Amino acid sequence: DGGITQSPKYLFRKEGQNVTLSCEQNLNHDAMYWYRQDPGQGLRLIYYSQIVNDFQKGDIAEGYSVSREKKESFPLTVTSAQKNPTAFYLCASSIVRGGAYEQYFGPGTRLTVT
Amino acid sequence: GNSVTQMEGPVTLSEEAFLTINCTYTATGYPSLFWYVQYPGEGLQLLLKATKADDKGSNKGFEATYRKETTSFHLEKGSVQVSDSAVYFCALTLTQGGSEKLVFGKGTKLTVNP
Repeated sequence: DGGITQSPKYLFRKEGQNVTLSCEQNLNHDAMYWYRQDPGQGLRLIYYSQIVNDFQKGDIAEGYSVSREKKESFPLTVTSAQKNPTAFYLCASSIVRGGAYEQYFGPGTRLTVT
Repeated sequence: GNSVTQMEGPVTLSEEAFLTINCTYTATGYPSLFWYVQYPGEGLQLLLKATKADDKGSNKGFEATYRKETTSFHLEKGSVQVSDSAVYFCALTLTQGGSEKLVFGKGTKLTVNP
């Protein structure tokens, strides 16, 4: 079955620690994305990558970093510089279908920082 | 800028009631429009899409028509079921300079009671 895997589903960290969230896809999609979801705020784009070894900042990149060394993988690091890291993080990949880019989402990782 | 506005929830309906969730957008250019659904604790799933004016997207009994004159993409279903309880997100995507990004509304939570 093709899809997007995010692990772990729940993650707990102490304030001041960096933490890396995993995202893997076997859909052979070129583009991948990271979003942050907070209650009542919808989804906000953190980073995106159109191809391997290239990525761009989204709307709320401060305090986050990414890498794209392989087509299948797009890990997100939440650094200690992120002031409010507790949130639900969603990874996605996209493909052009029927004249539009369709994004497919992973199941998400809920990060709690105390 | 590009933005999506959808009706605030929560929306509570009885089973077999008619559903409308309003969505309007602001965009430069000609966006593609989407509805995504998020079940509790999960990622987002693409529900339906429309890529040009007057297109109707449909899936699982849900429908939405791309209305350029009113910049709207309202979601409708004739008879909701308990299993339709979820959060619904309206979104648009524009392709600019070879890259594309999704812009989401804030989501509308639907609860269907038996």
